[in-house]
Amino acid sequence: EVQLVESGGGLVKPGGSLRLSCSTSGFTFTSYTMNWVRQAPGKGLEWVSSIDSTLTYMYYADSLKGRFTISRDNTKNSLYLQMNSLRAEDTAVYYCAREDRVYDYFDSWGQGTLVTVSS
Amino acid sequence: DIQMTQSPSSLSASVGDRVTITCRASQGISNFLAWYQQKPGKPPKLLIYAASTLQSGVPSRFSGSGSGTDFTLTISSLQPEDVATYYCQKYNSAPYTFGQGTKLEIK
Repeated sequence: EVQLVESGGGLVKPGGSLRLSCSTSGFTFTSYTMNWVRQAPGKGLEWVSSIDSTLTYMYYADSLKGRFTISRDNTKNSLYLQMNSLRAEDTAVYYCAREDRVYDYFDSWGQGTLVTVSS
Repeated sequence: DIQMTQSPSSLSASVGDRVTITCRASQGISNFLAWYQQKPGKPPKLLIYAASTLQSGVPSRFSGSGSGTDFTLTISSLQPEDVATYYCQKYNSAPYTFGQGTKLEIK
């Protein structure tokens, strides 16, 4: 069974940093591109970032303006999101999502971790 | 960047009704379009990919159509468990933009 489990969320002050993790199991992690998607309270889904299996390609939403960095450790079957210079508008549930191997739709999702940016 | 626009933003229908949600891309995306269902407090669930291919395990009352810029998600006979918010997503290339969502309720 495919499992994606996010962790690392919590309360952080504006300007602070946080590192999210997504631990995976039940599939060959090294074969899949992985993504982060976020959802602000009561709002829609916003794609955040993507990283391919070989760490060659990393893409980001323009709205992040270089504050977030995606990474992965294929030896630990884990995905990460380093978030710096956090703002109130970054408050959201952050989901990790797996891309299909052939196409780029998201076929598996974690349960999400809540990040709250507030003083 | 390509924008994805869904309509309507919310929808109320009766059990057994045929329901249609529309998604429009600001530029052509061929059939690189997915639909997701999200219930409150849960992560999104993939329903349809390649505009019209049903994900394994998804009830056959769900169907998708379209290509290029205009797409539809149809529920042939609405069931109480279909109450959710539905999102389209384009995946031809990054950014993998979602539509703003359509909240579906039972009348």
